[in-house]
Amino acid sequence: AQSVTQLDSHVSVSEGTPVLLRCNYSSSYSPSLFWYVQHPNKGLQLLLKYTSAATLVKGINGFEAEFKKSETSFHLTKPSAHMSDAAEYFCVVSDVRATDSWGKFQFGAGTQVVVTP
Amino acid sequence: DAGVIQSPRHEVTEMGQEVTLRCKPISGHNSLFWYRQTMMRGLELLIYFNNNVPIDDSGMPEDRFSAKMPNASFSTLKIQPSEPRDSAVYFCASSFLAGDPNNEQFFGPGTRLTVL
Repeated sequence: AQSVTQLDSHVSVSEGTPVLLRCNYSSSYSPSLFWYVQHPNKGLQLLLKYTSAATLVKGINGFEAEFKKSETSFHLTKPSAHMSDAAEYFCVVSDVRATDSWGKFQFGAGTQVVVTP
Repeated sequence: DAGVIQSPRHEVTEMGQEVTLRCKPISGHNSLFWYRQTMMRGLELLIYFNNNVPIDDSGMPEDRFSAKMPNASFSTLKIQPSEPRDSAVYFCASSFLAGDPNNEQFFGPGTRLTVL
């Protein structure tokens, strides 16, 4: 079975300071991992994905994430927060070899990011 | 490409009425997913299709919910009869064939359903 845990339900940062959103996953195999962002009253937009290539993945809007197998983590970071980064962020795990969840996405509970001036 | 298209964007109905939500996936995508998002339960997968065939409907709450995909460019999610607890945002997403680890899902803007 696969699962994903987002360790913070809310994160508040000041504009211009770094952002760290933490995600741990559980998977019996080698998963694909994704980060999505959802702005208010909008659909989900892909930020970045890891699919067993480079462990440091760069995404849109200056975000990046590092896959650490030993720690089963896939934390999302950005060096300098912008007001437009205020949104909800979802970590997602998918393992095509998991027979009980083949091809399906398992979403974390989400992390709400607030950016203060 | 216009992305995943959902209609209507907002729906307000009364308990007991039939509700039909519509989705047009991105052209060329083989897989289509229906999700429900609520504050209490977060994002839940209701059902997904590969090549127009339902693969997994284990997330469909009960028999009041049904989904169809008559062709590669159209899907519907129907609730009959609707109940207040069905109030949520319903998302449709599409991707190239589910099962390929490189295939991310592309989400539509959602339909906000309110059942009074």
